Amino acid sequence: EAGVAQSPRYKIIEKRQSVAFWCNPISGHATLYWYQQILGQGPKLLIQFQNNGVVDDSQLPKDRFSAERLKGVDSTLKIQPAKLEDSAVYLCASSLLPRRQGGEKLFFGSGTQLSVL
Amino acid sequence: DAKTTQPTSMDCAEGRAANLPCNHSTISGNEYVYWYRQIHSQGPQYIIHGLKNNETNEMASLIITEDRKSSTLILPHATLRDTAVYYCIVRPNRDDKIIFGKGTRLHILP
Repeated sequence: EAGVAQSPRYKIIEKRQSVAFWCNPISGHATLYWYQQILGQGPKLLIQFQNNGVVDDSQLPKDRFSAERLKGVDSTLKIQPAKLEDSAVYLCASSLLPRRQGGEKLFFGSGTQLSVL
Repeated sequence: DAKTTQPTSMDCAEGRAANLPCNHSTISGNEYVYWYRQIHSQGPQYIIHGLKNNETNEMASLIITEDRKSSTLILPHATLRDTAVYYCIVRPNRDDKIIFGKGTRLHILP
């Protein structure tokens, strides 16, 4: 089966510019996550969607980051304006079901590597 | 905060068994142990998970001590493609999200 698709693969911008990342989860997967991974660290959860509703966005810097999942399929993550410390890999993951319904595995995309200069 | 402690890095010879330890001394009764790995330039990949019994699948075996305070991931015949960062994660039973720590960087040596 096709995996989680993310684009672009790489993005270089200057600070204070805006950027958007796109994620297409595995077909039929209800739960979608965005993670931020700074070099040398493990991925950090930013936001979790269940279908098109937000389940957890407690770690999302809402003054500059926003995310949406229209129609409960594709999702976009936006940063406006970007700061130097936003340089990281942004990973999208999906799972077929919520955990309480047996959704044990998260499937990750390869990520978008963002460099803010 | 991560609830697990792992060595920062480990080496293993190709063809040998790689044994990756994880300490989770504060684990509670409804929390599962998960392992993911992340190969360079890729997203994390699920390996295995368990509650208290030992588990085995096509990728690895998971050995959990009787008191559940530690576990070991075993890759029975390591290959160069197993070089990656391995994350041991404690996940509450009803929690959807996965919280990552820093993991163990495993180097498979030819």
